[in-house]
Amino acid sequence: DTGVSQDPRHKITKRGQNVTFRCDPISEHNRLYWYRQTLGQGPEFLTYFQNEAQLEKSRLLSDRFSAERPKGSFSTLEIQRTEQGDSAMYLCASSFTRGSATNEKLFFGSGTQLSVL
Amino acid sequence: AQKITQTQPGMFVQEKEAVTLDCTYDTSDQSYGLFWYKQPSSGEMIFLIYQGSYDEQNATEGRYSLNFQKARKSANLVISASQLGDSAMYFCAMREPYTGNQFYFGTGTSLTVIP
Repeated sequence: DTGVSQDPRHKITKRGQNVTFRCDPISEHNRLYWYRQTLGQGPEFLTYFQNEAQLEKSRLLSDRFSAERPKGSFSTLEIQRTEQGDSAMYLCASSFTRGSATNEKLFFGSGTQLSVL
Repeated sequence: AQKITQTQPGMFVQEKEAVTLDCTYDTSDQSYGLFWYKQPSSGEMIFLIYQGSYDEQNATEGRYSLNFQKARKSANLVISASQLGDSAMYFCAMREPYTGNQFYFGTGTSLTVIP
């Protein structure tokens, strides 16, 4: 049973460059979430997908951020023209749920640590 | 207003002792779910325990139990018989399924188990 996997584990980039992260959820999971976590803080919601549809985006998500989940399987998160403030851990999580359930449990990957120099 | 408040940035506990990590939440929904996650230094968030707002009994999962006081809007995590491997960050989270599908996380508590 494979869990949620994220690639790469670490990414160092220069300010202004574009970066792309990949997340492979647990295969039967229909929902996929992206979170950002900075040092000393809890995960902060960015966006989520139900199958291939992106259903919600945080107001914190600037136009430089875009996420896709083609075919409802893996997902990519792209950050264009990176800024130093984008430095954070980017966490992906997946779940299986039907409708709205309070007990929807998220399974997280190990995250991608982004450092923007 | 913060949805989830964890007021203990850091806690220490002696090995084999019990420890309580505090969590209060803010919601006007009647139906919601409360969760605790553990984040070791490796970074992966690990699910520990879940409590539904309509559950009458406190949730338990092995050495973890959740002290749910609905009127006070608190959902404290109790870890019994602490082990060295329990040293990690602990996050309280809430889901309000009828007002969006976000999970709201607190700022976490760093737990250190002392041998």
